[in-house]
Amino acid sequence: GQQVQQSPASLVLQEGENAELQCNFSSTATQLQWFYQSPGGSLVSLLSNPSGTKHTGRLTSTTVTKERRSSLHISSSQTTDSGTYLCAIDPGNMGYKLTFGTGTSLLVDP
Amino acid sequence: DAGVTQTPRHEVAEKGQTIILKCEPVSGHNDLFWYRQTKIQGLELLSYFRSKSLMEDGGAFKDRFKAEMLNSSFSTLKIQPTEPKDSAVYLCASSLQGTLYFGEGSRLIVV
Repeated sequence: GQQVQQSPASLVLQEGENAELQCNFSSTATQLQWFYQSPGGSLVSLLSNPSGTKHTGRLTSTTVTKERRSSLHISSSQTTDSGTYLCAIDPGNMGYKLTFGTGTSLLVDP
Repeated sequence: DAGVTQTPRHEVAEKGQTIILKCEPVSGHNDLFWYRQTKIQGLELLSYFRSKSLMEDGGAFKDRFKAEMLNSSFSTLKIQPTEPKDSAVYLCASSLQGTLYFGEGSRLIVV
């Protein structure tokens, strides 16, 4: 089945530093989304980026479809960015059924 | 607009009990998903409905897990009988054209 690998598993930053999160997947994806989950909270979709580069606020995602990888860059991290970041892909053959990675746990210290 | 609503938020069940979790999707969304989230396995898809039709029944979860969607605004997930390994957060999500909106989840503990 579809595999989604995320790295690093965890990351600790000082406030103001940048973060780079990676997502690698085992087959082609027609959908790729990044989600954020606050500690004990629900998942929120950050952005959808099946190919190319997308920006929203301090977030930049770059997906290279041929290489089956995507990255999420968080600039000028804040303590409120702490939480888990999940990458999810859909191979496109079953509607919008997403397969999730196990996530990157980010802690931003003040 | 109301988001995805899940009830109950927390449930403690004894092994062997029947549990029914409920979900109200965002109004107008065609797709509804049930996921299970644990620290070890992460998010696992249990069921997927498109326009109330069951598209995916979760494979390995078929025997004790049953999701239903009797109308476009309400879905249930029944676990029968529950086992301690079912302890997890059960998440419901809905979408219209790709972007998923998740509920707060139902945290189930089976003792």
